[in-house]
Amino acid sequence: KQEVTQIPAALSVPEGENLVLNCSFTDSAIYNLQWFRQDPGKGLTSLLLIQSSQREQTSGRLNASLDKSSGRSTLYIAASQPGDSATYLCAVNLGSGYSTLTFGKGTMLLVSP
Amino acid sequence: NAGVMQNPRHLVRRRGQEARLRCSPMKGHSHVYWYRQLPEEGLKFMVYLQKENIIDESGMPKERFSAEFPKEGPSILRIQQVVRGDSAAYFCASSPPSGRTYEQYFGPGTRLTVT
Repeated sequence: KQEVTQIPAALSVPEGENLVLNCSFTDSAIYNLQWFRQDPGKGLTSLLLIQSSQREQTSGRLNASLDKSSGRSTLYIAASQPGDSATYLCAVNLGSGYSTLTFGKGTMLLVSP
Repeated sequence: NAGVMQNPRHLVRRRGQEARLRCSPMKGHSHVYWYRQLPEEGLKFMVYLQKENIIDESGMPKERFSAEFPKEGPSILRIQQVVRGDSAAYFCASSPPSGRTYEQYFGPGTRLTVT
């Protein structure tokens, strides 16, 4: 059974810091991995999707890496801003694309001005 | 192009009543997924549907819960005889019928409170 773990559970940093969020999964036979952002009381916003054949994806100040063999992904946020404060969720897709997502419990990020 | 739409956004039901949650996928998407987020827990898969078919319901509780995605209209998640433990945020996601990434796009969720 696939399990997804995110560390740390919560993180508080001052504005401007670069930071790394970690995600690990137990079954390395994944199809893809998605990072999401969830604001309090809101839905999920997809940030980055990495296919199993890819090593990393970048979007603006965000960079996600994937090491499938070791079951790890990291989300790097450069020059953090207060608007980055949210819960970040990692999810893996095991099947041939149309299977379901298995989520971690998330990392709650607070960026203070 | 509107995103995934869910309604109602908030729903309050008394114990024993029925709850109906609706999800309209993104235009052109024919795959719908329902997830539940219980307080202090991560999102858990419930059911995956295509038009008029349930593909995977391995995450659905065996009793009181049902889902459909008719040929016309939104997908419906139905909870009969709700109990306090059903209080949660229910999210719907959709994905397109073809494509390389199979990315799932999420709606804003329906927050169900059972009193």
